Amino acid sequence: NAGVTQTPKFRVLKTGQSMTLLCAQDMNHEYMYWYRQDPGMGLRLIHYSVGEGTTAKGEVPDGYNVSRLKKQNFLLGLESAAPSQTSVYFCASRHSFWDRGRETQYFGPGTRLLVL
Amino acid sequence: EDKVVQSPLSLVVHEGDTVTLNCSYEVTNFRSLLWYKQEKKAPTFLFMLTSSGIEKKSGRLSSILDKKELFSILNITATQTGDSAVYLCAVVKETSGSRLTFGEGTQLTVNP
Repeated sequence: NAGVTQTPKFRVLKTGQSMTLLCAQDMNHEYMYWYRQDPGMGLRLIHYSVGEGTTAKGEVPDGYNVSRLKKQNFLLGLESAAPSQTSVYFCASRHSFWDRGRETQYFGPGTRLLVL
Repeated sequence: EDKVVQSPLSLVVHEGDTVTLNCSYEVTNFRSLLWYKQEKKAPTFLFMLTSSGIEKKSGRLSSILDKKELFSILNITATQTGDSAVYLCAVVKETSGSRLTFGEGTQLTVNP
């Protein structure tokens, strides 16, 4: 049981390049989330998904796209990277909304992205 | 606008001290409050609080929620250097996706 995994761990991009971050979970969780963490800003929600084939915008969705084609995977895409997207990106997952008592979000190890 | 505020933002103590971290919130449709510990990498879960006045304990850590005054505290007794981390408070809302709203975190440094 690996929990939540993220690839890659670290990446350097040039402005305008594109890339996809992959998040995978093996806990059969319905809900998955992408956050970014910046100094002094805490964790901010980019996009989230409440099930396979569904996605929704969070607090800071601009410049990012997501897809949830399989329940266990949640992809975060940057079509044209900008220096403002330099950050640490965390993926998280959890059981479904109606599963009271199991509301904890479990986090992946993070992806450090530097956009030059 | 939903808001979660943690204080202090930074705290330096000596081993053996007791610390209290604060989290206040202004959130519509409150469901629960979570505490996480983050040491360089992924946040790891500490506590989930749903009801007022019921203390959750795990070893030297304990936490309690006050839903009337809209705050929670996290206590750490007999601190150790391994307690050095960022402690994050987050609120779960009764909305689609059960999204979390995080505070900025408290950076705790425990010196030997």
